[in-house]
Amino acid sequence: GAVVSQHPSRVICKSGTSVKIECRSLDFQATTMFWYRQFPKQSLMLMATSNEGSKATYEQGVEKDKFLINHASLTLSTLTVTSAHPEDSSFYICSARDHGGGDSYEQYFGPGTRLTVT
Amino acid sequence: GQNIDQPTEMTATEGAIVQINCTYQTSGFNGLFWYQQHAGEAPTFLSYNVLDGLEEKGRFSSFLSRSKGYSYLLLKELQMKDSASYLCAAMDSNYQLIWGAGTKLIIKP
Repeated sequence: GAVVSQHPSRVICKSGTSVKIECRSLDFQATTMFWYRQFPKQSLMLMATSNEGSKATYEQGVEKDKFLINHASLTLSTLTVTSAHPEDSSFYICSARDHGGGDSYEQYFGPGTRLTVT
Repeated sequence: GQNIDQPTEMTATEGAIVQINCTYQTSGFNGLFWYQQHAGEAPTFLSYNVLDGLEEKGRFSSFLSRSKGYSYLLLKELQMKDSASYLCAAMDSNYQLIWGAGTKLIIKP
């Protein structure tokens, strides 16, 4: 099946600094990528939908100036958490949709990034 | 509004069968997904239903009734490794996934 990688898998940063998370589709082209956040024992919360070559669409309540998303190519999207605070500590997961085959619009998930802000 | 309902937690015995139900209300409908998520890991795809009926895939089966806005995931011959959260997600008319809160399945020996 399609593979999505995410880097880094874990990151610890100090409050006020910025962190960049990369999401790559390794064996397919992903015109659409999604960024989710998941707090412990809760379900996935969609943060934004990222389309290659255009601005990301953010969900209500998600600050676009704080969570910068760049989808510069068909295989790479990045999420930058700017001026991170302890409440931003969470599990960030990206997914990519393969438009090249099938009708299911299945999303393939990356392994996730555990962000801890101290 | 759009909503997905599934039980918070279920317990079953190793070797038994368990059915996890999911009801959904979405603006338009383009299919129903089930994902498995182990603690600390990303979700992995289990099944996709867009037509009414039962889809069987090994020990796992998924059922959909579009008229009732209802789906279930059936797990047979339960194994300890099946202990995980099971996420139901419906795709709306914009091809966005609407996620349920997940059902934590606990398997006991």
